[in-house]
Amino acid sequence: ELKVEQNPLFLSMQEGKNYTIYCNYSTTSDRLYWYRQDPGKSLESLFVLLSNGAVKQEGRLMASLDTKARLSTLHITAAVHDLSATYFCAVDQGRSGSRLTFGEGTQLTVNP
Amino acid sequence: DARVTQTPRHKVTEMGQEVTMRCQPILGHNTVFWYRQTMMQGLELLAYFRNRAPLDDSGMPKDRFSAEMPDATLATLKIQPSEPRDSAVYFCASALGQLMNTEAFFGQGTRLTVV
Repeated sequence: ELKVEQNPLFLSMQEGKNYTIYCNYSTTSDRLYWYRQDPGKSLESLFVLLSNGAVKQEGRLMASLDTKARLSTLHITAAVHDLSATYFCAVDQGRSGSRLTFGEGTQLTVNP
Repeated sequence: DARVTQTPRHKVTEMGQEVTMRCQPILGHNTVFWYRQTMMQGLELLAYFRNRAPLDDSGMPKDRFSAEMPDATLATLKIQPSEPRDSAVYFCASALGQLMNTEAFFGQGTRLTVV
């Protein structure tokens, strides 16, 4: 059974600082997704990583995928308050696609 | 419409009552997921469909939950009878179902409270 683990689960950081969220998964997959969820809201797709070594960047967020290490990272550069949210990674474990398994989520709070 | 639509957005019901949640996937998407989100368990996959056929519903309590896709524009999740432990936010998501990309787009969710 595929397990997806995020680290840390809670992150409080100051504006302007950098930090990395880690997503480890237990079985072979080369398809990984990052989502953002604001309190009481739905999940918003952030990044789609579909191959080993894939790197995507959007604003202050950068995501990467290392399929050999079964690890993805979400790096935050110069954090701002608007980035406060819960971030989920999800791994596709199906050969034919589908069946996303989500991590526990990382609750990020960026303090002024 | 390029979004997943779920109804109702909120539902409060008494234990033992039947609850039906509906989802309209994005037009053209052939894969539909039902997830349940709680503080304790996080996001759990209940069931998913491809081309209206159920592929996996192992995450769903079979005795009380059922999921169907009567047609390509409607997915339903039914709980009968409902119990307080079913209180959660239920998300529907749809995906294009491409072999190498399962980016799922989520609806706004149905917040269910069973009292």
